[in-house]
Amino acid sequence: DTEVTQTPKHLVMGMTNKKSLKCEQHMGHRAMYWYKQKAKKPPELMFVYSYEKLSINESVPSRFSPECPNSSLLNLHLHALQPEDSALYLCASSQARSRGPRSPLHFGNGTRLTVT
Amino acid sequence: QQQVKQSPQSLIVQKGGISIINCAYENTAFDYFPWYQQFPGKGPALLIAIRPDVSEKKEGRFTISFNKSAKQFSLHIMDSQPGDSATYFCAPRSSGTYKYIFGTGTRLKVLA
Repeated sequence: DTEVTQTPKHLVMGMTNKKSLKCEQHMGHRAMYWYKQKAKKPPELMFVYSYEKLSINESVPSRFSPECPNSSLLNLHLHALQPEDSALYLCASSQARSRGPRSPLHFGNGTRLTVT
Repeated sequence: QQQVKQSPQSLIVQKGGISIINCAYENTAFDYFPWYQQFPGKGPALLIAIRPDVSEKKEGRFTISFNKSAKQFSLHIMDSQPGDSATYFCAPRSSGTYKYIFGTGTRLKVLA
């Protein structure tokens, strides 16, 4: 079992819907990430939060809105998505950068999103 | 822009054989060199990682070899098993950042 929990596991939404993806970790990690992964491709970084503050936004369209309510939780709010946004959305966590460079990513098992 | 080139794209190995996957990078601004293993329907999981001041690290059947001058690092899987069939990603970390630069991935199939 992974130590990073993502819900839901599967999500089907229409282009006019609003939905949210949730991620939770209890490893005391202070960096949390959202990645998007298309089939047979590597994960692509979307956002990074460090100490609950947005640290990196990889020029992600505004229809994706991240939120980090506390050090254990990370949300990704979705609105007006396009069919091409269908993918596996992965959450990850790691030690903060201040704790040294050698902190691996711990991934959840993702949310499989289908936009119809 | 930092780039990581991973090869081969796919690999078929007989049970008990050695699987070798390579990653090459174009600059030296990386401070951590992990390999991740991903099974279908799962998130990537850390397999093994190495620091840039170490040339080799072994954990069980898995070994990372690091050649700093050649800007290459490789994953060796000894005595490959069907359960090792998965996709493998190198993902060196850009120094001082939260950016891990993922390679394109290698799909490994180990035949029973």
